[in-house]
Parts: sequence; C-alpha cells; structure tokens
Amino acid sequence: DGGITQSPKYLFRKEGQNVTLSCEQNLNHDAMYWYRQDPGQGLRLIYYSQIVNDFQKGDIAEGYSVSREKKESFPLTVTSAQKNPTAFYLCASSHRGKTDTQYFGPGTRLTVL
Amino acid sequence: AQSVTQLDSQVPVFEEAPVELRCNYSSSVSVYLFWYVQYPNQGLQLLLKYLSGSTLVESINGFEAEFNKSQTSFHLRKPSVHISDTAEYFCAVSDQRNYGGSQGNLIFGKGTKLSVKP
Repeated sequence: DGGITQSPKYLFRKEGQNVTLSCEQNLNHDAMYWYRQDPGQGLRLIYYSQIVNDFQKGDIAEGYSVSREKKESFPLTVTSAQKNPTAFYLCASSHRGKTDTQYFGPGTRLTVL
Repeated sequence: AQSVTQLDSQVPVFEEAPVELRCNYSSSVSVYLFWYVQYPNQGLQLLLKYLSGSTLVESINGFEAEFNKSQTSFHLRKPSVHISDTAEYFCAVSDQRNYGGSQGNLIFGKGTKLSVKP
C-alpha cells in the first residue's frame, strides 16, 4: 500500500535533548512538508522541500532542522533551541504541481518533559 | 499573503441535523481552496477541493462546499450528519500563482471541531 509513515507515534524526551522525527513516503512524491499542530492553532508550516537536496523554511522554522537526502525521506530534528517543542507533528507529501493534493501521515505526538 | 478564518471553533449538533462550518479567506490573488478532516490522533484527510470550474464541490460522504468569490468564503455543509462525522475540520488555501518552490504550500485555518450527538 502506498502512503506516508511517521514514527514513532508517541515520543517523550527530556528538555534540552535533540530529537529526530521520521517521515517516509512511497508515493513517489517530489514535495514533502512538516507541520506543527497545537490545540486551537491549526497547522503551521515548519519546513518544506520540493526536491531532493533542497528545502525551505516555513513560517516557524526556528529551533528545527531538516534534511532531504532521499526522495522518500524527510526527517525533522527538533533541537534544544526550540522553546516549546511539545506538540503534534504532521508530515505531508505531494507532487510538485501547485494544484496537487497534500497527503498527510498519521502524526507524531512529541512531549518534552 | 493569505489568511484563513474559521469562525467557529466548536460546533455541536444532533445526529441527522444539517450543519454548516464556516470558512472565510483573505487574499490579494486567486487561490485554491481545500477542506481537510482530522479524526482523533490521526493525520489529515482531504475532504474536497476547489480548483476551478463549478463553484459547488462535493465529497463522497455527503459534504459539499461552495466557493463564493464575492464573499471570499468556502463554507462546508452537510444536510444530515452522522455520529461518524465527529472530527475536526480544517479549511486551507493555496496561492494560484507559481512563485518558485513554494507552489502548493497550504495556509490553514485554526479548525472547527464538529461534535455530533445522538
């Protein structure tokens, strides 16, 4: 089955630690996205990548980093510089065209203790 | 820049009643419009989208939305809801222009939680 997988579903970390969230897709999509979701805030774009080895900052990139070494993978690192990292993180992918639908993964809920 | 306003954060309704979830957008350019649905602890699923053509678009599970350019709205409606429609619904827009690598980026509203009661 084609789709987007995110792992783990729940993640706990101590304050001050970096943590990497996984996102893999087998839909042959060029574009991939990371969003952060907070209660009552909707989704906010962290980073996006339209092609391998290239990525751009979204609206709230501070304290996050990404890489795009493979078409299928777009991992997100939440660094210790992110002041309020506890949130639900959603990865999405799409073809590159401007009308193409974004497909979402199941999400990772990160809790920083 | 675009923005999306979902006027109601929560909408409680009884089963089999009609429902309307409101969405207004602000943009200086033409946009594409989307509604996504999110069930608890899951990702988002596309419900329907308006790209061009008929301003009334429908989903396979009975929802419909109408693009109203003069009112900059894209309200979501269903004539009779089921318990299984309980979820959070997000309206989103994207810029129709092709401006480099950011085509396809979505701007989301804050969501409306639909709660269907028996």
